[in-house]
Amino acid sequence: EPEVTQTPSHQVTQMGQEVILRCVPISNHLYFYWYRQILGQKVEFLVSFYNNEISEKSEIFDDQFSVERPDGSNFTLKIRSTKLEDSAMYFCASNPPGYNSPLHFGNGTRLTVT
Amino acid sequence: AQSVTQLDSQVPVFEEAPVELRCNYSSSVSVYLFWYVQYPNQGLQLLLKYLSGSTLVESINGFEAEFNKSQTSFHLRKPSVHISDTAEYFCAVSETGNDYKLSFGAGTTVTVRA
Repeated sequence: EPEVTQTPSHQVTQMGQEVILRCVPISNHLYFYWYRQILGQKVEFLVSFYNNEISEKSEIFDDQFSVERPDGSNFTLKIRSTKLEDSAMYFCASNPPGYNSPLHFGNGTRLTVT
Repeated sequence: AQSVTQLDSQVPVFEEAPVELRCNYSSSVSVYLFWYVQYPNQGLQLLLKYLSGSTLVESINGFEAEFNKSQTSFHLRKPSVHISDTAEYFCAVSETGNDYKLSFGAGTTVTVRA
């Protein structure tokens, strides 16, 4: 069964550095999302992306964050200048067109900011 | 806005015993309800969902959940658990018509012992 794949599984970075988290959604999916889970807290919606533009973003998704679909397969989340509080598990998700299509999540990237 | 409360953070249970995971939600609009499961070192997988129709929904691996509108609940049950059911279970809700933007509960860790 096709899967959403995320790389790397674990990323360690220093505060102030830029990080790019990568995702390869399922090939026929058109809608893409990022969620995150800070340790011990709830999974939170960050952003949705469709037709090469952001369709919705949460309050968390400030100017430090950006998303991009640089080619036909990858979907990336960039954090421009990481802060300690950006440490979290970041989940990519996608779903196909169609009413009530379920989200397919990747295994996540654990980001640790030191 | 909607929110989800999972009343139990940890549920230890013996193999072949029944289990119930409690989920309550609050919303001012109509909602869709979901249960996701996360096995160790894996991503979030959709277990079952309620969109409309029958209030009792079932998964392929023996779980079921019942939507109770008056009690704003969506509890998850399984009559007999296996060791392989050890995982973290997340209840989630979305507004109807906005079903990609999930609000998650804090999760319940189920540990099945022989």
